[in-house]
Amino acid sequence: GNSVTQMEGPVTLSEEAFLTINCTYTATGYPSLFWYVQYPGEGLQLLLKATKADDKGSNKGFEATYRKETTSFHLEKGSVQVSDSAVYFCALSVNTGNQFYFGTGTSLTVIP
Amino acid sequence: EAGVAQSPRYKIIEKRQSVAFWCNPISGHATLYWYQQILGQGPKLLIQFQNNGVVDDSQLPKDRFSAERLKGVDSTLKIQPAKLEDSAVYLCASKPGSTDTQYFGPGTRLTVL
Repeated sequence: GNSVTQMEGPVTLSEEAFLTINCTYTATGYPSLFWYVQYPGEGLQLLLKATKADDKGSNKGFEATYRKETTSFHLEKGSVQVSDSAVYFCALSVNTGNQFYFGTGTSLTVIP
Repeated sequence: EAGVAQSPRYKIIEKRQSVAFWCNPISGHATLYWYQQILGQGPKLLIQFQNNGVVDDSQLPKDRFSAERLKGVDSTLKIQPAKLEDSAVYLCASKPGSTDTQYFGPGTRLTVL
């Protein structure tokens, strides 16, 4: 079946620290992979995506590389800011985007 | 481009009451999704529409939940009667046919007392 497993939170970091949020997946076929971010009181926003193996998605200083050999799509940022405090969701889609599967989310708090 | 609109943003009801949520997707987006997001969990798909037809409603509790998208544009999700465990954020998302990226609305936070 299809599923996403991401590291449990919450994660608390100091400003300018390095961030890694792990995400692994199980999928039939060739999924697209996504990171969505949810700020307090808001809906999910697409942060970045990758559609095939070895693709790197990037946005706002965040990066993730689609690793087929390890079935992973870890989210990284070199220097986090207080404004990055949010919940981050890893997700995959199959069947040309008609089926989506989300991880349970990782809460990130960045302290000054 | 206007985003996905949802209303109301918040709703508090007592158990066994009925409630309805409304969603207006981004113009031109053929696919519409309703998700349930329980506190501390990821979104769970309830139902997916392609235009005004249902593509997937396998996880919709059909004894109490219903949804429609009559003209292939906006959609309503109804719960009747509500239970305590229905307390969650209900998210609507839409997607154009040509991509695999979903666009989410702000959600409706439902509290069942």
